[in-house]
Amino acid sequence: NAGVTQTPKFRILKIGQSMTLQCTQDMNHNYMYWYRQDPGMGLKLIYYSVGAGITDKGEVPNGYNVSRSTTEDFPLRLELAAPSQTSVYFCASSYPGYTFGSGTRLTVV
Amino acid sequence: TQLLEQSPQFLSIQEGENLTVYCNSSSVFSSLQWYRQEPGEGPVLLVTVVTGGEVKKLKRLTFQFGDARKDSSLHITAAQPGDTGLYLCAGYRNTGNQFYFGTGTSLTVIP
Repeated sequence: NAGVTQTPKFRILKIGQSMTLQCTQDMNHNYMYWYRQDPGMGLKLIYYSVGAGITDKGEVPNGYNVSRSTTEDFPLRLELAAPSQTSVYFCASSYPGYTFGSGTRLTVV
Repeated sequence: TQLLEQSPQFLSIQEGENLTVYCNSSSVFSSLQWYRQEPGEGPVLLVTVVTGGEVKKLKRLTFQFGDARKDSSLHITAAQPGDTGLYLCAGYRNTGNQFYFGTGTSLTVIP
């Protein structure tokens, strides 16, 4: 049972580039989330989904997009990467406690 | 603005000592969770408390939810090096349909 799988683990982007962070879960959870974690700031919610075809904004959605075409997958898209998006990104699914992936460390230079 | 404040932010203690970590807010939460996160990994759920005044024990860890459901504490007895990590509290509010995470407490237990 893999739980929540995130790829890639590390990535360096140049300003203005785009990328997709992948997230897959095999627990058949309806709820999925994307968080970013910055030092001393805890985890901030970017987007979440309550089921396939349904997504909604969290606290810090600007600069990101998501889609949820299946229950298993919840990719996060960064368009026109900016240095402020340098962070560690976590995907999670829940019922009822969160199961987190191991994270993607993104650096924008 | 941070909905949940944790204190202390950093804590370094000797093996065998006791410690308490606090999670405070001016908001009411319908439930509260505690997570532990190790470097390079995602947070792992330790406990969920849902009733004001509730106390839960997990081996040497004791979790308490405040009577007014605005705060929580985590007490560790006889800390061990394996307890080292970042401890995060997260409170659930029905309005917003999400958990709000605290700022975290980084604990180091020195052998």
